[in-house]
Amino acid sequence: SAVISQKPSRDICQRGTSLTIQCQVDSQVTMMFWYRQQPGQSLTLIATANQGSEATYESGFVIDKFPISRPNLTFSTLTVSNMSPEDSSIYLCSVGAGGRSSYEQYFGPGTRLTVT
Amino acid sequence: DAKTTQPTSMDCAEGRAANLPCNHSTISGNEYVYWYRQIHSQGPQYIIHGLKNNETNEMASLIITEDRKSSTLILPHATLRDTAVYYCIVRVPSGTYKYIFGTGTRLKVLA
Repeated sequence: SAVISQKPSRDICQRGTSLTIQCQVDSQVTMMFWYRQQPGQSLTLIATANQGSEATYESGFVIDKFPISRPNLTFSTLTVSNMSPEDSSIYLCSVGAGGRSSYEQYFGPGTRLTVT
Repeated sequence: DAKTTQPTSMDCAEGRAANLPCNHSTISGNEYVYWYRQIHSQGPQYIIHGLKNNETNEMASLIITEDRKSSTLILPHATLRDTAVYYCIVRVPSGTYKYIFGTGTRLKVLA
């Protein structure tokens, strides 16, 4: 299993500003993912951030709004840029580990963002 | 798009078995079925996964129908701490290993 931490755990930000969320893993992993969970909703995948390649964004998410860095195998950041109240959500990172039949994703505790 | 459908909510009496259904009628032969749960304000927690055969671990049992178009997660003796949103996920077999979450089932265990 993998232990994941996120910083900050929560923040309140003003519209128009940007926030960078950090995700730290206690072991080296290739696959890392960023999700958004809007209030009362399920998780939506933002992007896949594998080390050594550019992040792959899902439909509806763009790099200018959610730039991602993946400098090494234990760390990633997600920036929420030019925030609006609609960006108020929980942002979660996860890592994938295991092979074809044993694959699992482990999730961080999330970052609760409120934009005013 | 989510590839699974689940009931929005369910109640279960404490100490009884909780049976959570999931439909995945378009599942491909090489796609695994995963179950996660999310307790309020926490990150999702892995429960169990399977391909064809029924699976059991210390948390739950997973029953997959022979045609693989549906499955049931069974919590044999539900406790109040099992109150959570339960997600059934079909793993996309495209090599990206990403999950697409559906809406999940909100399970409430009643004392």
